[in-house]
Parts: sequence; structure tokens; C-alpha cells
Amino acid sequence: DGGITQSPKYLFRKEGQNVTLSCEQNLNHDAMYWYRQDPGQGLRLIYYSQIVNDFQKGDIAEGYSVSREKKESFPLTVTSAQKNPTAFYLCASSISHRSPYSNQPQHFGDGTRLSIL
Amino acid sequence: GDSVTQMEGPVTLSEEAFLTINCTYTATGYPSLFWYVQYPGEGLQLLLKATKADDKGSNKGFEATYRKETTSFHLEKGSVQVSDSAVYFCALSVPYGSSNTGKLIFGQGTTLQVKP
Repeated sequence: DGGITQSPKYLFRKEGQNVTLSCEQNLNHDAMYWYRQDPGQGLRLIYYSQIVNDFQKGDIAEGYSVSREKKESFPLTVTSAQKNPTAFYLCASSISHRSPYSNQPQHFGDGTRLSIL
Repeated sequence: GDSVTQMEGPVTLSEEAFLTINCTYTATGYPSLFWYVQYPGEGLQLLLKATKADDKGSNKGFEATYRKETTSFHLEKGSVQVSDSAVYFCALSVPYGSSNTGKLIFGQGTTLQVKP
């Protein structure tokens, strides 16, 4: 079955450490997204990529970095500059940002829960 | 800018009760509208969608109608079950041609608790 795989499910970060969250999709989607979810709150966009080798900052990009070297992969690095990284991180993908697909839904992975040790 | 507002939760209902979760939006152009559901510890699943005014999305007994005149997309279900307990998110997709094309704007989520 096609879908989005996020790993690991749980991740712990030590002080001053960078950690990388994996996101892989086999849906042949062009666009991919990273969201952060804090308890009792909605989703906030961190970074998004509309095509391979291209990505843009979302609303809360500070302290995070991404790469998009392959169509199916969009890893997120939480750097030591992110002082409050504890959250639930969700990766999503959609067919394309281009018409006529820009109104198609996003498909989500099962998330990675990041905590500070 | 574009935004989505949902009714605050939690919403607590008895099994077989009628459910309404209100959602209103502000957007330029003609966005698509979505309802997503999130079960505890999981990602979001698409529940239903509507792409133009007066469209009705439906799935698993849930319905929502795209009302352009009231800029609303309220979620309804005639008879809820315990298994419907989850967080529900209303979202809009920014129309093509905007600088934010393809992005989803989410409401803050509404927690539904259904008691037996």
C-alpha cells in the first residue's frame, strides 16, 4: 500500500544535539510538508517542498533545517538552536501545488514524538 | 490573511447523539475545504472534502456542506459512536495562483468525547 512512513516513532534529544526525523513517501507526490503540533493546538507549518531540490520556510522555520534530494524523502533536522523542541512532528505530502492539483488533500504520516532528555 | 476558526472543545456527547462542530473560514479566492480526524497518538486522516460552493462532502456518516455565503463548513453526524472520539480539524487549501499555493491552513482542532 502507498503511504507516508515517519521514523522513529519516539525520539529523545540531549542538550546541544541535532536530531533528524525521517519522512519517506511512495505516493509519487511532488509536494511534501513538515508540521509541528503542540498539545491542544493546531498544526503549524515548519518547511515545505514543492519539488525536488527546492524548499521554502513555513511559519516557524527557526531552529529547523530540511533537504529534498530525492522525490520520496524529506528529512527534518531539529538543531540545537531550537530551544523548545518537545512536540509531535507530522510529515505530509500532496500530489502537486500546481493546477489542477493544488486543491487536493494532503496525506499524513503517523508522526514522531520528540522529547528532551 | 487566510484563516480557519473552529468551535472550542472539548465537545462531550452521549452515544447516538447528534454532532455539530462549527467551522468558519476567511480566504481570498475559492479555497477547497477539508475535515481531518486525529485519533490519539496518530497522524491526521482525511475525513471529507469539498472543492466548490454548495458541494457536500460525506464519509462514514459525517457530512459537511461548503457554504460560501456564510463562509462555513460545519461538520455533522446524526448518531455518534464511542469510536468517533478524536480530535477534528477543519482546514482550507490556499487556491492556485496565490504565493501560498498548496498550503493547508488549519483550525485549532476540536476534541470530541463520546460516552457510552
